[in-house]
Amino acid sequence: GENVEQHPSTLSVQEGDSAVIKCTYSDSASNYFPWYKQELGKGPQLIIDIRSNVGEKKDQRIAVTLNKTAKHFSLHITETQPEDSAVYFCAAREAAGNKLTFGGGTRVLVKP
Amino acid sequence: DTGVSQDPRHKITKRGQNVTFRCDPISEHNRLYWYRQTLGQGPEFLTYFQNEAQLEKSRLLSDRFSAERPKGSFSTLEIQRTEQGDSAMYLCASSPGGDRAPNFGPGTRLTVT
Repeated sequence: GENVEQHPSTLSVQEGDSAVIKCTYSDSASNYFPWYKQELGKGPQLIIDIRSNVGEKKDQRIAVTLNKTAKHFSLHITETQPEDSAVYFCAAREAAGNKLTFGGGTRVLVKP
Repeated sequence: DTGVSQDPRHKITKRGQNVTFRCDPISEHNRLYWYRQTLGQGPEFLTYFQNEAQLEKSRLLSDRFSAERPKGSFSTLEIQRTEQGDSAMYLCASSPGGDRAPNFGPGTRLTVT
């Protein structure tokens, strides 16, 4: 089955700096890669996603890149703000399936 | 769109007791998922429904676990003879048809003492 590795596990940045989170996946058949943000006491919330026919996608301060050959994808947050502090999860979904396989999460702390 | 709701939000039970959780998906979402999340980990897939049919179950879902989705609306997840290892956050998610990412609910935190 699919295996998703996520790094780093914790990330501390100064407000205004950029944050980058990297994930690798094992199943070349996976074709959909969402990113979720989870705040304390809440369920994960989708923030951006990318499909395998696209190399990059951007939404305001958030961007995601995908390298299918290397089987890795990354989340980039620019101009970080204190409200970006949360745990971020990457995930991958197989083409023929419906379940998401999640990475272990990255705890991001934005220091004002 | 009122979002996915789950009840209860917290449950404390003694080992050996049975517990049941409820999930109400976003209306008209025909796909419903259950995931389990332990502290410091990402969510792990448990099971998936399309309408009322349970189409996929993880090996994590032992025979003490059962999920239903009668009439393709709300879903219940029951754990029989709870064990301390069952302590976790149980997340429900739903999605419309197609390949849209699921929307997660707030979760039910289970503590088995």
